[in-house]
Amino acid sequence: DVKVTQSSRYLVKRTGEKVFLECVQDMDHENMFWYRQDPGLGLRLIYFSYDVKMKEKGDIPEGYSVSREKKERFSLILESASTNQTSMYLCASSLISSDIYEQYFGPGTRLTVT
Amino acid sequence: AQTVTQSQPEMSVQEAETVTLSCTYDTSESDYYLFWYKQPPSRQMILVIRQEAYKQQNATENRFSVNFQKAAKSFSLKISDSQLGDAAMYFCAYRSASGAQKLVFGQGTRLTINP
Repeated sequence: DVKVTQSSRYLVKRTGEKVFLECVQDMDHENMFWYRQDPGLGLRLIYFSYDVKMKEKGDIPEGYSVSREKKERFSLILESASTNQTSMYLCASSLISSDIYEQYFGPGTRLTVT
Repeated sequence: AQTVTQSQPEMSVQEAETVTLSCTYDTSESDYYLFWYKQPPSRQMILVIRQEAYKQQNATENRFSVNFQKAAKSFSLKISDSQLGDAAMYFCAYRSASGAQKLVFGQGTRLTINP
């Protein structure tokens, strides 16, 4: 089974702190994604990566950056956390080669910025 | 840009009954994929069912089936013989068949199963 893990289930940070959210997948997937989930808005794509050191902006990249130094690990960075970044953050991964691929999701990190 | 709309924030159904969740989408593309994902309370999101736009036949997976109406840009999910374990948030998602392999999600529908 594909396993996608995230470093924390719950995280509380202060405004202005630099925050790192880590995601690791164990199935050698090329694609990795970061979404945020908010009530009434569904999931919105922040950034994605289709290869090591490659990244592309999603729909809401402002205030975030990412890092992918190894194929299995994709990090989301909040350079200076703000209260409007309080949200559930979901990581996902998928194969690049499959025509109708499935994204596999991690358990999520619920981040609260105070 | 593509958009996905789920107009039912919440739905409820009696155990063993059938329920249909609605999803509409907007796109100018002719080739794409559609998905329904399930997110149980405090658990990971999992794929329920998928549909290729070029296939006329509606996808089915055990008690789950879809009604795909390409001209109407509608993609509803039918759950038959509802079970307590079906209680979850359900998300409809769209993916283009070309370009970046990213998903566009709807707002979600929270499904409650009444015993």
